[in-house]
Amino acid sequence: NAGVTQTPKFQVLKTGQSMTLQCAQDMNHEYMSWYRQDPGMGLRLIHYSVGAGITDQGEVPNGYNVSRSTTEDFPLRLLSAAPSQTSVYFCASSYAGDNYGYTFGSGTRLTVV
Amino acid sequence: RKEVEQDPGPFNVPEGATVAFNCTYSNSASQSFFWYRQDCRKEPKLLMSVYSSGNEDGRFTAQLNRASQYISLLIRDSKLSDSATYLCVVKTGGFKTIFGAGTRLFVKA
Repeated sequence: NAGVTQTPKFQVLKTGQSMTLQCAQDMNHEYMSWYRQDPGMGLRLIHYSVGAGITDQGEVPNGYNVSRSTTEDFPLRLLSAAPSQTSVYFCASSYAGDNYGYTFGSGTRLTVV
Repeated sequence: RKEVEQDPGPFNVPEGATVAFNCTYSNSASQSFFWYRQDCRKEPKLLMSVYSSGNEDGRFTAQLNRASQYISLLIRDSKLSDSATYLCVVKTGGFKTIFGAGTRLFVKA
């Protein structure tokens, strides 16, 4: 099993550009989520999904969109990149329920100039 | 006050030492607790869940104190390979999952 696959691993964007970060999992996990990690701030939830067709906002959703048309895929779209979105982005998935931990993708390092 | 707080460290310990990390949480309704390990420039990886009765996995012991709202991670006989950042994670029902900012550990030869 590949687990959680994120692409790309690195990306540099100019302010105002848009792009999509890809995330796919092959573990049939119901839950998928996107986090960003900034120095000293821990992981912050951007958007999450509890199943295909269902998405909701997390702690820091502004400037990002998501969709979940299949159980496997959960892309994150940056609508108009800003320097404040420079960060490391992680996609994570888990089975439904409180007793399950997350499996993370390897991350995307995004720099907005 | 942050919902999940950890001492950022760093903790610098020699090989073979025992080191303990604590993590406090503010929401008494929190239901599930985990410790993750994150190596430099890598993704977080689940280290262990934390159960009310306490649980052990080799050199690692996790404990939960619901009355005082903290969890702990004890590492015995530290190895160089234990050097990493340790993240405390709290789930509060539904989908709300809060990650602590992490505690950095350096194990020295």
